[in-house]
Amino acid sequence: EAQVTQNPRYLITVTGKKLTVTCSQNMNHEYMSWYRQDPGLGLRQIYYSMNVEVTDKGDVPEGYKVSRKEKRNFPLILESPSPNQTSLYFCASSLSYRSIAAGELFFGEGSRLTVL
Amino acid sequence: DQQVKQNSPSLSVQEGRISILNCDYTNSMFDYFLWYKKYPAEGPTFLISISSIKDKNEDGRFTVFLNKSAKHLSLHIVPSQPGDSAVYFCAASVVMNYGGSQGNLIFGKGTKLSVKP
Repeated sequence: EAQVTQNPRYLITVTGKKLTVTCSQNMNHEYMSWYRQDPGLGLRQIYYSMNVEVTDKGDVPEGYKVSRKEKRNFPLILESPSPNQTSLYFCASSLSYRSIAAGELFFGEGSRLTVL
Repeated sequence: DQQVKQNSPSLSVQEGRISILNCDYTNSMFDYFLWYKKYPAEGPTFLISISSIKDKNEDGRFTVFLNKSAKHLSLHIVPSQPGDSAVYFCAASVVMNYGGSQGNLIFGKGTKLSVKP
């Protein structure tokens, strides 16, 4: 089954404790992206990757890092989490950035992160 | 500055009636507009899209209308069903060149639709 898988789905952590949210897709997609969803703010892009070893900042990259060492994985790293990073995070992938406009951006089920 | 705006946080409609969700945008370079639907505890899923060269696109009960001069689009759901109750996100894309944020989606804040039986 074609899917985007995120882990963990739920996490409660404390300020400053490094964490990684993993994202994996099995569709051989070139494009991958991370979004966060916050009440009243909708979905905002954190980072995206056009292909292996190619990443770029989205609209809200502060406090986050990503890597794209292989095509299927795109982990989101919070080196020193803070309470304002409490949010619902979504990973998404697409065959290529050109496929996005056709609606072919597929989202994972989300990871709810709470930073105390 | 918000480039894609959904000014109604919520909408309540009776089953069988029409639901109209609105979206405004500011960037005239957007060339595709999309609607995504999101249920609780799930990721957003694509619903329908429209190219900027069209003014209407229809898919079953869902129709999206685009008014470029007003920089406004709307999603019509007819007839509305209880299963349509979800958060609907309007999104816009510029697919022109590689680099920068080209090809990425910019989302509105979402409108929560409740369809009552």
